[in-house]
Amino acid sequence: AQSVTQLDSQVPVFEEAPVELRCNYSSSVSVYLFWYVQYPNQGLQLLLKYLSGSTLVKGINGFEAEFNKSQTSFHLRKPSVHISDTAEYFCAVSTKTNTGNQFYFGTGTSLTVIP
Amino acid sequence: GAVVSQHPSRVICKSGTSVKIECRSLDFQATTMFWYRQFPKQSLMLMATSNEGSKATYEQGVEKDKFLINHASLTLSTLTVTSAHPEDSSFYICSARALRNEQFFGPGTRLTVL
Repeated sequence: AQSVTQLDSQVPVFEEAPVELRCNYSSSVSVYLFWYVQYPNQGLQLLLKYLSGSTLVKGINGFEAEFNKSQTSFHLRKPSVHISDTAEYFCAVSTKTNTGNQFYFGTGTSLTVIP
Repeated sequence: GAVVSQHPSRVICKSGTSVKIECRSLDFQATTMFWYRQFPKQSLMLMATSNEGSKATYEQGVEKDKFLINHASLTLSTLTVTSAHPEDSSFYICSARALRNEQFFGPGTRLTVL
């Protein structure tokens, strides 16, 4: 079975400060990794994804994440946050199943940027 | 990127009635779509996998007779909440699977059952 753990449910950070949102996963097979952002009353928007290749992945809005296979982590980082980054962030893992690729989501991290 | 739409975006209905939510992939074909449910301040919970031309696969604990899923074409899947009750009030999100194991999510449908 797969699981995704987002250790921090809420992360407050001052504007222009750096931020790291943590994500760890457990899986016995190869995985694909994703970070999504959700604004209030909206669906999920893909920030970035790791499918293969370079372990450092750059996404939209200045976010990046690094896949660490030995630590089974995929932490999301941004060097300088903006007020508009305030949102809910979800880490997700996808594995190949008999019925197709299934996503497993973490419980989410609420990022609040303080002016 | 690929676009997935949902209709309606918001619906309010009386207890006991049925509500249909549509999920469309606008610029790509999706043989597989997924339906999720999200409670306030919580993560997405996979309800079922919708397969074009065949029966949906439901997750454990999801009532298939209550949440009817039809994937009639490569661009449309529908979720019908039958005999809705207030506890069915939630945010329902669909996604469509594209190439390279990526899912594209719809904007969600807020269902309120009075």
